[in-house]
Amino acid sequence: ETGVTQTPRHLVMGMTNKKSLKCEQHLGHNAMYWYKQSAKKPLELMFVYSLEERVENNSVPSRFSPECPNSSHLFLHLHTLQPEDSALYLCASSPSLAQETQYFGPGTRLLVL
Amino acid sequence: KNEVEQSPQNLTAQEGEFITINCSYSVGISALHWLQQHPGGGIVSLFMLSSGKKKHGRLIATINIQEKHSSLHITASHPRDSAVYICAVGETSGSRLTFGEGTQLTVNP
Repeated sequence: ETGVTQTPRHLVMGMTNKKSLKCEQHLGHNAMYWYKQSAKKPLELMFVYSLEERVENNSVPSRFSPECPNSSHLFLHLHTLQPEDSALYLCASSPSLAQETQYFGPGTRLLVL
Repeated sequence: KNEVEQSPQNLTAQEGEFITINCSYSVGISALHWLQQHPGGGIVSLFMLSSGKKKHGRLIATINIQEKHSSLHITASHPRDSAVYICAVGETSGSRLTFGEGTQLTVNP
């Protein structure tokens, strides 16, 4: 049990759809992260939130829009995605932004048609 | 060139073999992490270390700060060890982690 949950686990969407990925952590952590994992590539950091404030936006296209309404929840809103956005999207949390162990969710496997 | 390089990219072993996965990095770090990713995607943190050696069960992680190199060893490997093992470094200049591409380990019975 990781303490970090993600929904949905699988998502298929067309390029004109709008969908949202949800992440919830039950660990009392203050920092949350979105990562993208494409086949045969290292994990790519997309966004970092600390105490509900975005502290890093890693040159991510505007078709990805994060939202952190409170320290336990993190969303990734998706609209007009491209087929190359198909990947595994992983959420993680850590006690703070200090370099501590990050706890990962199971991921959402996204396919854009 | 990725700042974090892992070798080998793929590794196949027979059950019971001793396994070593290597990680080299080119930046100054405050800590190095070893992660395990099973099919289906979930990632589990195995170790975080900044010096010396750590052991947990059949897993051992070592780091040489001067040589900017770390190794993950698995003793008496088992098919359930089959997974992708990922090395990540926390740079001294910031809070983010930089990840290697991972090593796909397959242990056959």
